[in-house]
Amino acid sequence: DQQVKQNSPSLSVQEGRISILNCDYTNSMFDYFLWYKKYPAEGPTFLISISSIKDKNEDGRFTVFLNKSAKHLSLHIVPSQPGDSAVYFCAASAQDQGAQKLVFGQGTRLTINP
Amino acid sequence: DSGVTQTPKHLITATGQRVTLRCSPRSGDLSVYWYQQSLDQGLQFLIQYYNGEERAKGNILERFSAQQFPDLHSELNLSSLELGDSALYFCASSPWTSGAYNEQFFGPGTRLTVL
Repeated sequence: DQQVKQNSPSLSVQEGRISILNCDYTNSMFDYFLWYKKYPAEGPTFLISISSIKDKNEDGRFTVFLNKSAKHLSLHIVPSQPGDSAVYFCAASAQDQGAQKLVFGQGTRLTINP
Repeated sequence: DSGVTQTPKHLITATGQRVTLRCSPRSGDLSVYWYQQSLDQGLQFLIQYYNGEERAKGNILERFSAQQFPDLHSELNLSSLELGDSALYFCASSPWTSGAYNEQFFGPGTRLTVL
């Protein structure tokens, strides 16, 4: 049962344009949603998060939108830069018997073309 | 650099063998998490330790076990290895306060290849 899904394995965007990465989830008990970025041979690094009580969070070029009724979140990167080329993982957090669990999507490989 | 260290970086072994992966959390972090990433898959949560005690279990096989030591470093033991255990294994740490969300910081991972 895949509770967090990223349906696009890859995405290619022109430098300077907007990159939109999508993520769907099924569990309404998730209380935080996060995006992680991963370069080859490195561990995932935290990018941005959003609480389930909000619908938008912005940090510089990165904005995350949450649509709870659709159980959908998206990450917008504007403008896209070559250094943004990486694999992006969507993750959702739930408290389970006092412990925090993160559930990850499969990842989307973003390529920014010059 | 997240401050989380993992050793070794690469491990090649044969089926049926046993290996130990090591993780040192960020200074001050009490919680350690282990994840497995198989080819083209997302990160699968295996197990969490908080201040030496097991707190949560995910999809961890019975052949796998972990522990967290008094100095807070953690080890993941994988035994009776199978070809399908080949994967990237990540460790993450967080301060983890009960009831509050804490960002998890990931190490660079250990790539395990079972031949």
